[in-house]
Amino acid sequence: ILNVEQSPQSLHVQEGDSTNFTCSFPSSNFYALHWYRWETAKSPEALFVMTLNGDEKKKGRISATLNTKEGYSYLYIKGSQPEDSATYLCAFMNRDDKIIFGKGTRLHILP
Amino acid sequence: NAGVTQTPKFQVLKTGQSMTLQCAQDMNHEYMSWYRQDPGMGLRLIHYSVGAGITDQGEVPNGYNVSRSTTEDFPLRLLSAAPSQTSVYFCASSYSYGLYGYTFGSGTRLTVV
Repeated sequence: ILNVEQSPQSLHVQEGDSTNFTCSFPSSNFYALHWYRWETAKSPEALFVMTLNGDEKKKGRISATLNTKEGYSYLYIKGSQPEDSATYLCAFMNRDDKIIFGKGTRLHILP
Repeated sequence: NAGVTQTPKFQVLKTGQSMTLQCAQDMNHEYMSWYRQDPGMGLRLIHYSVGAGITDQGEVPNGYNVSRSTTEDFPLRLLSAAPSQTSVYFCASSYSYGLYGYTFGSGTRLTVV
């Protein structure tokens, strides 16, 4: 059974602070890992597509790392802003066309 | 570009009724997929297609049919609606499986009574 775990489930962060959260996935048969940002009443939007062990991606204040051998990815947000409030999803994809989404980390930025 | 267009946005069905959820994209994406979002669970894959004429089952395919006659359209059919199919449904598309980010539609909230 493929399982993707995201932690924490929910996170409250003071505006201006930095934060990070985790996506854990199976360490075998890896093909790709995606991160999405999902704002309330909108649709998920792609942040990063990661395919190689050791990948590091960055978009503005948000960055992500990937460790396929141990099966985890970290998402970092530097200097949190109110507009960062959203649910962050990761999606694990294996070489058998199976995609499993995590349940997400809900991030609340406190003014 | 309109992106991924899903219709309808809301629908109420009676148990046993059938209906089709529409999904269309104008980005020339080969890969299209349908998901359902239920409380406390991650998005779960229902069916997917890697190109026109090719479809396959995802994690939760029972009670749903799909077809892909054109690159642009990927409708999801509920054959005989059941209360367990009450959910929010999302369509997503991409240039290919895994190597590109997925573009999601705005979702369809379906209630089966």
